[in-house]
Amino acid sequence: AQRVTQPEKLLSVFKGAPVELKCNYSYSGSPELFWYVQYSRQRLQLLLRHISRESIKGFTADLNKGETSFHLKKPFAQEEDSAMYYCALYSGNTGKLIFGQGTTLQVKP
Amino acid sequence: NAGVMQNPRHLVRRRGQEARLRCSPMKGHSHVYWYRQLPEEGLKFMVYLQKENIIDESGMPKERFSAEFPKEGPSILRIQQVVRGDSAAYFCASSREQGRNTEAFFGQGTRLTVV
Repeated sequence: AQRVTQPEKLLSVFKGAPVELKCNYSYSGSPELFWYVQYSRQRLQLLLRHISRESIKGFTADLNKGETSFHLKKPFAQEEDSAMYYCALYSGNTGKLIFGQGTTLQVKP
Repeated sequence: NAGVMQNPRHLVRRRGQEARLRCSPMKGHSHVYWYRQLPEEGLKFMVYLQKENIIDESGMPKERFSAEFPKEGPSILRIQQVVRGDSAAYFCASSREQGRNTEAFFGQGTRLTVV
C-alpha cells in the first residue's frame, strides 16, 4: 500500500532550536517525495522536493530508502517557520500526490 | 498568472442542501486534483481529473459526491444532500502535466460548514 505517515501532530520548539519533522513512507518502487508548507490563512505551497536536493528557507530533507524516511530538518528554527507541514509522495502508478496527516510546527520566542 | 482560484472561500449550507465548489486551475494546467481536509486530519485525496475525464476517483465517497472538469470552465466538486460530516476544507490543486517532477499548485481552499 502507498502511504505517508507523519507521526507528530504538533511539534513545539523554541526559537533557535533545531527542528526535525518526521515523515515515513510506504511505496514499492522508486519514490518521489515532497514537503509542502501551509502558513496561517495561506495556501499550501511546495517547500522542497527530494529530487532537486535543494535547501529552501534553511530546510533540508534527505531521502533514506533503508529507513523509508524523508525527515525535514532545520538547524535553527525561526518564529516565521511556524506553519503546518505536509509530507507527500508522488504515486507514479496513479499520478496523484498522497499526503501525510501533517505536522503543526510551533516556534516559540 | 493568478494561481489556482477556488470559490467560494467560505460556504454555509443547511443539511440536505447542495454544495458546489469551483476550482479554476492555473493557466495552461490541464490536471486537477481535489483534496478534503477534515478537522484534526491531514489532506485526503478525493479525485483526479483531466479535461473532460475522471482519471482516479478512488477517494470520493460513492454517494452524493461528484466532480467534473469540462472542456470550458472551472472544475466543479458537487456534494448533494450535505450532512454535518461533510464540513471540511476542500482544496483543489492543478498541474501542467502528470509525471515525476511535476509540481502541483494549490488553491486557498473552500471551507464548507453544514449547519
